[in-house]
Amino acid sequence: SAVISQKPSRDICQRGTSLTIQCQVDSQVTMMFWYRQQPGQSLTLIATANQGSEATYESGFVIDKFPISRPNLTFSTLTVSNLSPEDSSIYLCSVEANYGYTFGSGTRLTVV
Amino acid sequence: GDSVTQMEGPVTLSEEAFLTINCTYTATGYPSLFWYVQYPGEGLQLLLKATKADDKGSNKGFEATYRKETTSFHLEKGSVQVSDSAVYFCALINQGGKLIFGQGTELSVKP
Repeated sequence: SAVISQKPSRDICQRGTSLTIQCQVDSQVTMMFWYRQQPGQSLTLIATANQGSEATYESGFVIDKFPISRPNLTFSTLTVSNLSPEDSSIYLCSVEANYGYTFGSGTRLTVV
Repeated sequence: GDSVTQMEGPVTLSEEAFLTINCTYTATGYPSLFWYVQYPGEGLQLLLKATKADDKGSNKGFEATYRKETTSFHLEKGSVQVSDSAVYFCALINQGGKLIFGQGTELSVKP
């Protein structure tokens, strides 16, 4: 199944700044997914990124706060903008593979 | 809407004890069902899956059977090890193709 390289693995950012997270897949995939996992919580889908079109955002998530790029079939970025302490979470990307989903190792973001 | 409900944690067991983590779901049709595991400080790994009723998924000594009649997919292991300490997530893929997670159950195994 697909292998995902996600980076950075962790970062500490000042409030008001932005963080861009990258995911590289070792094979071409149609859709890539971005999730947020708040401390002690389950995963929540932020958006679905398709190559060549705008991402589709879930309720409660907006493009201005979480802009996504999908320049080709193996790569995507998620930016978390105008950071506040409430954005401290683990962010994960995912792709569909073999009747399941494969996840990146996650980016642990701490906003101070 | 579609949802997954897991038993609350944390669950604390002694090594070699029997493990059951309950999972029930609400969904239209016949969703595919999954268990994912998240070891401390790591991302999610697929543990096992089942795609139709009465299927049994198994991996690393863990098992779960897709029970349509009770809309359940309980995770079991006959003898847990300290290395099994992790957070376990039950999940489904619904008719719209979305992956929906339960809230996660933390398992702590003591020597």
